[in-house]
Amino acid sequence: DVKVTQSSRYLVKRTGEKVFLECVQDMDHENMFWYRQDPGLGLRLIYFSYDVKMKEKGDIPEGYSVSREKKERFSLILESASTNQTSMYLCASSSQGPDTQYFGPGTRLTVL
Amino acid sequence: QKEVEQDPGPLSVPEGAIVSLNCTYSNSAFQYFMWYRQYSRKGPELLMYTYSSGNKEDGRFTAQVDKSSKYISLFIRDSQPSDSATYLCAMPPSTDSWGKLQFGAGTQVVVTP
Repeated sequence: DVKVTQSSRYLVKRTGEKVFLECVQDMDHENMFWYRQDPGLGLRLIYFSYDVKMKEKGDIPEGYSVSREKKERFSLILESASTNQTSMYLCASSSQGPDTQYFGPGTRLTVL
Repeated sequence: QKEVEQDPGPLSVPEGAIVSLNCTYSNSAFQYFMWYRQYSRKGPELLMYTYSSGNKEDGRFTAQVDKSSKYISLFIRDSQPSDSATYLCAMPPSTDSWGKLQFGAGTQVVVTP
């Protein structure tokens, strides 16, 4: 059974804190993605990675960075959290080519 | 203007009714069309996908694509309370960009017993 796990389901942080969100997949997928999901806006791609140490900006990369040191792990970093980064964060992975993306359960981040 | 538009709903139907969902898109280069289902507090999961125009059926679910109108639909027959979820359409911009799916905002569906 395919599995994408995320380090936390719920997270509360203060403005200015550095936040790490971690994602692990056990399917040996090349591609990994970070999205945020907000009501009325749907899923928006923050960053994706198509190989270890490779990354590409998505539609809304500002205020975020990523790290992929191992194939199975993709981290999203908020260098200095702000209230407008309060959102649901979803990680996904896929193999190359016409394959579905498999999503994790999401992390609901609240920045106070 | 977003590349993929989808009515957020909510769409409330009685059990047994047909649910009709749709998305419009602006990029004529889209060729693959996907539907994801997302239950509350879970990540989306692929329901079905179609290539180019036409219909595809999978059990109670039928996906339709009309490329001339840039319009896709998902129909759920004999709807059940377990079909209550948010349904998102998604499209890769090209076969070289499978990763960069363009998602609709999602339509929330509520099936009442």
